[in-house]
Amino acid sequence: DIQMTQSPSSLSASVGGRVTITCRASQDISNYLAWYQQKPGRVPKLMIYAASTLQSGVPSRFSGSGSGTDFTLTISSLQSEDVATYYCQRYNGAPLTFGGGTKVEIK
Amino acid sequence: EVHLVESGGGLVQPGRSLRLSCTTSGFTFGDYAMTWVRQAPGRGLEWVSFIRSKDYGGTPEYAASVRGRFTISRDDSKSIAYLQMNSLKTEDTAIYYCTRRGIYLDYWGQGTLVTVSS
Repeated sequence: DIQMTQSPSSLSASVGGRVTITCRASQDISNYLAWYQQKPGRVPKLMIYAASTLQSGVPSRFSGSGSGTDFTLTISSLQSEDVATYYCQRYNGAPLTFGGGTKVEIK
Repeated sequence: EVHLVESGGGLVQPGRSLRLSCTTSGFTFGDYAMTWVRQAPGRGLEWVSFIRSKDYGGTPEYAASVRGRFTISRDDSKSIAYLQMNSLKTEDTAIYYCTRRGIYLDYWGQGTLVTVSS
């Protein structure tokens, strides 16, 4: 099975700062990559699919990039409401593997 | 508006069974694959199973950890997806989320807690 590895596992950044999260697939998954945000005690929310397409309603400070095996989620200007754990997920066939998650906090 | 509501969770002893239901509204249920994802306490997200729409054969896929014990099904006439869980283990303890699609997961229910303990 294809493994999805996220890094870092946690990070803290200042409000207004730039945040970058990396997701690496153990095999080529083209652009079949989604990102989810899960705020504490809340249900996960789809943020990005097809590696770089923003889901409707997601703020433009979020962006995704990458193809093949290396992907990035970027928050261009971190806001307090962005405190959450972020997960990547591949979907080029079963199993739909999730990454281990990256916890984002405010410094 | 799309809604997914899970039910059927609870406390169950190891080795016993439980059936989860996902009641949906706000979209044409038969046009979509449906997926179950779980999250153990304090842990990350784990894909459990999905079932394709009838147009794509209505066939299921399972995570290795549940294959042979869990069965996913759907009733398009009622817009409900099910997850039959047999031979439950303590490691199946988690919040179980019902989600729409079998690719990226665009809508999620609130989840139902399954606790497997003696």
